[in-house]
Amino acid sequence: DIQMTQSPSSLSASVGDRVTITCRASQSITNYLSWYQQKPGKAPKLLVYAASSLQDGVPSRFSGSGSGTDFSLTISNLQPEDFATYYCQSTFSTPRLTFGQGTRVEIK
Amino acid sequence: QLQLHESGPGLVKPSETLSLTCTVSAGSISSNSHYWVWIRQPPGKGLEWIGSIYYSGSTYYSPSLKGRVTMSVDTSKNQFSLKVTSVTATDTAIYSCARLSSTGRYFGVFDIWGQGTLVTVSS
Repeated sequence: DIQMTQSPSSLSASVGDRVTITCRASQSITNYLSWYQQKPGKAPKLLVYAASSLQDGVPSRFSGSGSGTDFSLTISNLQPEDFATYYCQSTFSTPRLTFGQGTRVEIK
Repeated sequence: QLQLHESGPGLVKPSETLSLTCTVSAGSISSNSHYWVWIRQPPGKGLEWIGSIYYSGSTYYSPSLKGRVTMSVDTSKNQFSLKVTSVTATDTAIYSCARLSSTGRYFGVFDIWGQGTLVTVSS
């Protein structure tokens, strides 16, 4: 089974900061990786699919990169509405799925 | 717009069976481009994939639930269901159903979620 290790588990940042979250797969998943944003009491929202493709309507300050085993989600110019929890998800073995542990982005 | 809605008891006793149903509205569960998925999230914790089912009845389960999970589909009712046996307090979570794309550029991506339902395991 593929394991996804996401880091950090939480971070504190200020509005306007650049933030990077990383996700490492236990084996190569080529570009089969998605990123989601979740706010309290809400369903996760798709940000990035296929490692680097930005979902329609997602602000361009979000970007995804990586392939193989190492991936990252970068938020440039952090905005107040970006404070949330972010999850990576391997789609390599669909319909068997694996999520990272999540990264909580908090206001400094 | 297709919608998903979870239903079932919000309280289950330890050692008993948790049973939930997800009803698909404004669309068909008999899609050859999607899987139907259960995910759970313990309070304050991360997302955990429970299992996926195709409209034909093919099922895929998380090994972490160690054979306690059964999923089924009823295409006549446009519903799919989840059963988790021998529950303990660690099974307390928000349980959500979701639709998963199985083709194209959105392969493996969740595009529609239910609102989620809290299931508490307690005597």
